[in-house]
Amino acid sequence: DTAVSQTPKYLVTQMGNDKSIKCEQNLGHDTMYWYKQDSKKFLKIMFSYNNKELIINETVPNRFSPKSPDKAHLNLHINSLELGDSAVYFCASTRGYEQYFGPGTRLTVT
Amino acid sequence: QKEVEQNSGPLSVPEGAIASLNCTYSDRGSQSFFWYRQYSGKSPELIMSIYSNGDKEDGRFTAQLNKASQYVSLLIRDSQPSDSATYLCALESGSSNTGKLIFGQGTTLQVKP
Repeated sequence: DTAVSQTPKYLVTQMGNDKSIKCEQNLGHDTMYWYKQDSKKFLKIMFSYNNKELIINETVPNRFSPKSPDKAHLNLHINSLELGDSAVYFCASTRGYEQYFGPGTRLTVT
Repeated sequence: QKEVEQNSGPLSVPEGAIASLNCTYSDRGSQSFFWYRQYSGKSPELIMSIYSNGDKEDGRFTAQLNKASQYVSLLIRDSQPSDSATYLCALESGSSNTGKLIFGQGTTLQVKP
């Protein structure tokens, strides 16, 4: 059984479009995260939700908007996509200290 | 100074040798430290966590923590080609209790048969 899942796995789109990435975890964890991994493999946190409440909001353009309909789901909506948004986006979840990552969504903006 | 520093490598070791991966950090308030392994095109996978000074062993892996020197390391004994991956050092930010992890840029390990 998949613990943390993301859809889609690949996303290719043009500049200016709006897209969403979905994440679901079946681990019963309380906290979920969105990370961005750039072309140099540097992994940086973007947002975190605990029981549907936003607890981490890093310096991210406001074109990025997370939404958590319940504690098992955390979605990421991106408006007006730019070339620099091309990256791999990872969802993660945790109860306690140890975080578990989803398979990632590779976003390519052309 | 970066918050978490790792040598990007690649670190090349022969099969059967000990691979030593190192990480230094600047946040003295950090209490929780982690090593993640990431294969090319895959997601980070947690392999070790360490919270107190000293050594922690799990199979072929040993994590070492020295908070006074702000230093974390990972030793991989009897290295196998399947250990070839990027190893990410991470710590929980000492200034928040939100579980925020700060990652290093990773060290690429190559184990040659």
